[in-house]
Amino acid sequence: AQTVTQSQPEMSVQEAETVTLSCTYDTSENNYYLFWYKQPPSRQMILVIRQEAYKQQNATENRFSVNFQKAAKSFSLKISDSQLGDTAMYFCAFYGSYDKVIFGPGTSLSVIP
Amino acid sequence: EAGVAQSPRYKIIEKRQSVAFWCNPISGHATLYWYQQILGQGPKLLIQFQNNGVVDDSQLPKDRFSAERLKGVDSTLKIQPAKLEDSAVYLCASSANRGTTDTQYFGPGTRLTVL
Repeated sequence: AQTVTQSQPEMSVQEAETVTLSCTYDTSENNYYLFWYKQPPSRQMILVIRQEAYKQQNATENRFSVNFQKAAKSFSLKISDSQLGDTAMYFCAFYGSYDKVIFGPGTSLSVIP
Repeated sequence: EAGVAQSPRYKIIEKRQSVAFWCNPISGHATLYWYQQILGQGPKLLIQFQNNGVVDDSQLPKDRFSAERLKGVDSTLKIQPAKLEDSAVYLCASSANRGTTDTQYFGPGTRLTVL
């Protein structure tokens, strides 16, 4: 069965600095998708970035980028130039070829002014 | 474009009572998801619909949970009877189509407290 692990329950970063959130997963599938979602306090979950497993190039979205290591089954999120609005829970999610959607336990990120 | 709507936003019930949650996805979205998010955990997929058909309900506790999407638009999730461990936020999400090329848009959730 697929699993998603986020080993950092809580993290903090100074405003304007860079932070990296870790995610590892386990699967026997070759074709799948990985996501990072952001859930601000008392607000709705939104998609931050997605990565297709068949693509070697790491996805980027403005200040957000990923480091996808397929062989190591690792999918970390880097946030550059951290802003106060980045304070949120961040969830790593796996979407497999059999419509299996699995979220990790989340990392609570605090951006400190 | 209106987002995913859910109601009620909050619900408090006694154990063994019944409760129902409603979700209206973004107009035109074929795929609808119900998740359970227990405090301190990531969302767990309960059921996924493609139009009015079930794609995956492998993690839905079918002895007490049921869900329907009769006309392929809005959906209802029911718990009958509720247990203490059902206390959670129930999230609804929708996407234009099945598959991962389409973003899932989440609703605000319904926070259920079972006493």
